[in-house]
Amino acid sequence: DIQMTQSPTSLSASVGDRVTITCRASQSISTYLNWYQQKPGKAPKLLIYVTSSLQSGVPSRFSGSGSETDFTLTISSLQPEDFATYYCHQSYSTPYSFGQGTKLEIK
Amino acid sequence: QVQLQQSGPGLVKPSQTLSLTCAISGDSVSTNSAAWNWVRQSPSRGLEWLGRTYYRSKWYNDYVESVKSRITINADTSKNQFSLQLNSVTAEDTAVYYCVRSGHSAWFDYWGQGTRVTVSS
Repeated sequence: DIQMTQSPTSLSASVGDRVTITCRASQSISTYLNWYQQKPGKAPKLLIYVTSSLQSGVPSRFSGSGSETDFTLTISSLQPEDFATYYCHQSYSTPYSFGQGTKLEIK
Repeated sequence: QVQLQQSGPGLVKPSQTLSLTCAISGDSVSTNSAAWNWVRQSPSRGLEWLGRTYYRSKWYNDYVESVKSRITINADTSKNQFSLQLNSVTAEDTAVYYCVRSGHSAWFDYWGQGTRVTVSS
């Protein structure tokens, strides 16, 4: 099974900051890496799929990159509504698996 | 616009069966271009994919090994919905359960609202 490891597990930042979250897969997953945002009491929301494709309606300040085992999610200029928990997810092979999450908090 | 509406009890007794249903609108459970998944989330296990059902000329299922002996995911084409049954539950199965649609490359694009299930006597 493929293990997904995110870093950092938590992050404090200010509005307007540029933030990067990383995700590492335990083996190559090509570009089958997706990112989700989750706010308290809500279901995760798809932000980016297959590494770098922006889901419809998601602001362009979100971007993704990477391949094989190493991936990043970047938020170019944090907005107040971006403070949430972010998860990576590999859809290369079943059983699909998620990272443990990165909680983005206001500094 | 695809919508997934979950239903089912929030409290299940140990050793009994957890049963949840996910009603689909805006898509068909028997489409050849999607799969229908169950994912759960708990503080101890994080987000955990449990399994899926999908139709590609016939029905297929995949399950995570950790629950494979206890889980069944079924589609009901007459009601355009799919269901989760998890047998012999313990406190370890306490979690928020989500039904989720995935496309060809299996990203999870539509989620149900979540059902918090507690296993307790």
